[in-house]
Amino acid sequence: AQKVTQAQTEISVVEKEDVTLDCVYETRDTTYYLFWYKQPPSGELVFLIRRNSFDEQNEISGRYSWNFQKSTSSFNFTITASQVVDSAVYFCALMNTGNQFYFGTGTSLTVIP
Amino acid sequence: KAGVTQTPRYLIKTRGQQVTLSCSPISGHRSVSWYQQTPGQGLQFLFEYFSETQRNKGNFPGRFSGRQFSNSRSEMNVSTLELGDSALYLCASSLVAGMGTGELFFGEGSRLTVL
Repeated sequence: AQKVTQAQTEISVVEKEDVTLDCVYETRDTTYYLFWYKQPPSGELVFLIRRNSFDEQNEISGRYSWNFQKSTSSFNFTITASQVVDSAVYFCALMNTGNQFYFGTGTSLTVIP
Repeated sequence: KAGVTQTPRYLIKTRGQQVTLSCSPISGHRSVSWYQQTPGQGLQFLFEYFSETQRNKGNFPGRFSGRQFSNSRSEMNVSTLELGDSALYLCASSLVAGMGTGELFFGEGSRLTVL
């Protein structure tokens, strides 16, 4: 069974604080992909990152960084020096060998000016 | 480059009615997938079409159906609407189907309210 868990339903931080969004996944597949998407108030999901199961290198893109740890089945997302524009719902997702996406329930991030 | 276009953006139906939602993918994209987003269940995969063929289907009842046309535009239909069908229906397109492509481009969704 495939499952993605985002235990944090809502997070509020003050601008310029760092924030980490947690993602834990379950799959029996050895080959899979993990993703993060951002959903601003307008509704459409915006792709942020894709990571395959064989690449555990952490990635940094500007203020965004991702920590993939297979040992704990986690793919956490950190925003450094948060800004008001980062306010959105963030989804973690798993794509398995059946080519189906499994999304977490999302974490709503509010950055307070 | 135009994005994924979904119509209508908002609609209200009553129980028992049926609804058809439309999705026009990004030009050149041949894969279209549909998702239902509700506060309680989050985002759930409905189905995926590629070159007019349904490649994958999620765990939804047969009241939910879809199709894809030769120009890659897709429609989904929900018959005999129930209150629980109220949701944001998101369409996503990608250049190809298959493992690892993953860069889905989403539309803004069609928000369905069933009264």
